[in-house]
Amino acid sequence: DAGVTQSPTHLIKTRGQQVTLRCSPKSGHDTVSWYQQALGQGPQFIFQYYEEEERQRGNFPDRFSGHQFPNYSSELNVNALLLGDSALYLCASSRGASGTDTQYFGPGTRLTVL
Amino acid sequence: QQQVKQSPQSLIVQKGGIPIINCAYENTAFDYFPWYQQFPGKGPALLIAIRPDVSEKKEGRFTISFNKSAKQFSLHIMDSQPGDSATYFCAASYEGAQKLVFGQGTRLTINP
Repeated sequence: DAGVTQSPTHLIKTRGQQVTLRCSPKSGHDTVSWYQQALGQGPQFIFQYYEEEERQRGNFPDRFSGHQFPNYSSELNVNALLLGDSALYLCASSRGASGTDTQYFGPGTRLTVL
Repeated sequence: QQQVKQSPQSLIVQKGGIPIINCAYENTAFDYFPWYQQFPGKGPALLIAIRPDVSEKKEGRFTISFNKSAKQFSLHIMDSQPGDSATYFCAASYEGAQKLVFGQGTRLTINP
């Protein structure tokens, strides 16, 4: 049973560019949440997708957007990249959209903005 | 009120010792408290989780102690091994929250 997968593993972009990160949830899971983890910090919630809709958003600007597909996979898009967007981006999947449903994390995508 | 405060930031313990990591929260709506383990270059992996209806939960060498009145919970690792060296995060959430609120993390080193 494959766990949560993310692609790409690493990405290097320059300021002002746009980036798309991808996530496939664990088999049987229908909910995908995205988190940003800066170096030496805990993950910060970006948003969650359930039934192809954004259910909740954390304290992130509109430059961060996402999508969930009918097969439950998801994309995170970041426009107009800033140096401060450099971080590990984590995708977590769960069966159900409640905060008390166990979230399983993928390995993350390391984004470096130069 | 959404914060979870974690301490210490780093911890060094000899093999076989019992490292203890503490977390405190303010939001009394929180009713789900998981702990995650993260190795360098990897995503967080769920270790153990507790609900406030119990004061302690054990899974293998990992134990969570929960004090609802003090709004604190802690992770104990029994018979610690060098392979337990990792960063540990506590988190909190509640039924209608969708998101996990994470602590700042504790970098644990177990010396052989």
